[in-house]
Amino acid sequence: DAGVIQSPRHEVTEMGQEVTLRCKPISGHNSLFWYRQTMMRGLELLIYFNNNVPIDDSGMPEDRFSAKMPNASFSTLKIQPSEPRDSAVYFCASSRYNEQFFGPGTRLTVL
Amino acid sequence: GESVGLHLPTLSVQEGDNSIINCAYSNSASDYFIWYKQESGKGPQFIIDIRSNMDKRQGQRVTVLLNKTVKHLSLQIAATQPGDSAVYFCAENMGDSSYKLIFGSGTRLLVRP
Repeated sequence: DAGVIQSPRHEVTEMGQEVTLRCKPISGHNSLFWYRQTMMRGLELLIYFNNNVPIDDSGMPEDRFSAKMPNASFSTLKIQPSEPRDSAVYFCASSRYNEQFFGPGTRLTVL
Repeated sequence: GESVGLHLPTLSVQEGDNSIINCAYSNSASDYFIWYKQESGKGPQFIIDIRSNMDKRQGQRVTVLLNKTVKHLSLQIAATQPGDSAVYFCAENMGDSSYKLIFGSGTRLLVRP
């Protein structure tokens, strides 16, 4: 199994631009999680889906952030417009039960 | 991946010694706990888990101890190796029937050769 796949691995953009992060979960997993990791705040859960349905989005910082899961094998996290404070590593994780498997992350830099 | 928090606790051990990493969790209703290892530039990787009906679980070179009375979790690594150098996170499931995990702030383990 290829594990959780995220793209791009690195993204550098300018303030105000739209950013889309992509995730392919492990086949057969029915839960998907988006996390953000920064030096200051550690690893934060942004949103999670179960069977493609958003269950808890209380961690989404503000309306500039949105996430979708159109099918069991794909999810996106979009930031529009992006701001320098959004710079972080964004992880996607998937699970079938309690153990979550993490992807390699997308390092986002907003200038 | 970047590490966590400006005040990330650091544990420095000599290669070959045993390591003990501690974690205090917040919710007495939590019924499942996981330890993750995160190496530089990578996502967190599962090490070992334990359910609240157990107080000890052993894996290969790792042992997790759970003390529900004081809400404390520890990870013991036997014969620590240079490859064990990483940031270690504990995580708890809130016992609310979801698969949502709450992560601790992490501990950096440095292994001296």
